[in-house]
Amino acid sequence: GQQLNQSPQSMFIQEGEDVSMNCTSSSIFNTWLWYKQDPGEGPVLLIALYKAGELTSNGRLTAQFGITRKDSFLNISASIPSDVGIYFCAGLSLVGNQFYFGTGTSLTVIP
Amino acid sequence: DGGITQSPKYLFRKEGQNVTLSCEQNLNHDAMYWYRQDPGQGLRLIYYSQIVNDFQKGDIAEGYSVSREKKESFPLTVTSAQKNPTAFYLCASSIGRTGQGKQFFGSGTQLSVL
Repeated sequence: GQQLNQSPQSMFIQEGEDVSMNCTSSSIFNTWLWYKQDPGEGPVLLIALYKAGELTSNGRLTAQFGITRKDSFLNISASIPSDVGIYFCAGLSLVGNQFYFGTGTSLTVIP
Repeated sequence: DGGITQSPKYLFRKEGQNVTLSCEQNLNHDAMYWYRQDPGQGLRLIYYSQIVNDFQKGDIAEGYSVSREKKESFPLTVTSAQKNPTAFYLCASSIGRTGQGKQFFGSGTQLSVL
């Protein structure tokens, strides 16, 4: 099965800094989702993207659907301690109609 | 509250034993999914179901079985044939048939081998 390339694998930042992470795929996707997961819990949906080039915000989070439809980006502005967790991207493949997930970006925010 | 409920939260399996993980949703979603999560890895699809009485194998279905007798329920059985069952198991659902909507997740079941 396909897994998406997500980077960076981990990030350690100071509170108040901005964060950027991205996902890339060798295949074209028509939907990108971004999730946050706390330890021992299920992922929580943050942002959904449905069109190439689409830019969508949810509070301090902004995500973009790449023009090539093979990548997506998530930015977090002015990070706070509760942003700590693992962020996953998920892409919907046109073949087989399944979601595929990135390997996650672990975010640590230092107060 | 509407949502997806997984139980139990923690489960222990003895050698040669089958165990069943429960997943119930009251969101009236058509599609349901089971994923396995190992440390440092993304989610891998075990089985999915688009409608009642129908389900399809995902990428890692060997050693697992499912049923979909009711729209709101999609239990997963980890059989004795699954030699490395220790993992975090996540159930998800989406509003339409596979791929037509956002996926929402339950809070997971941690399965460990005694």
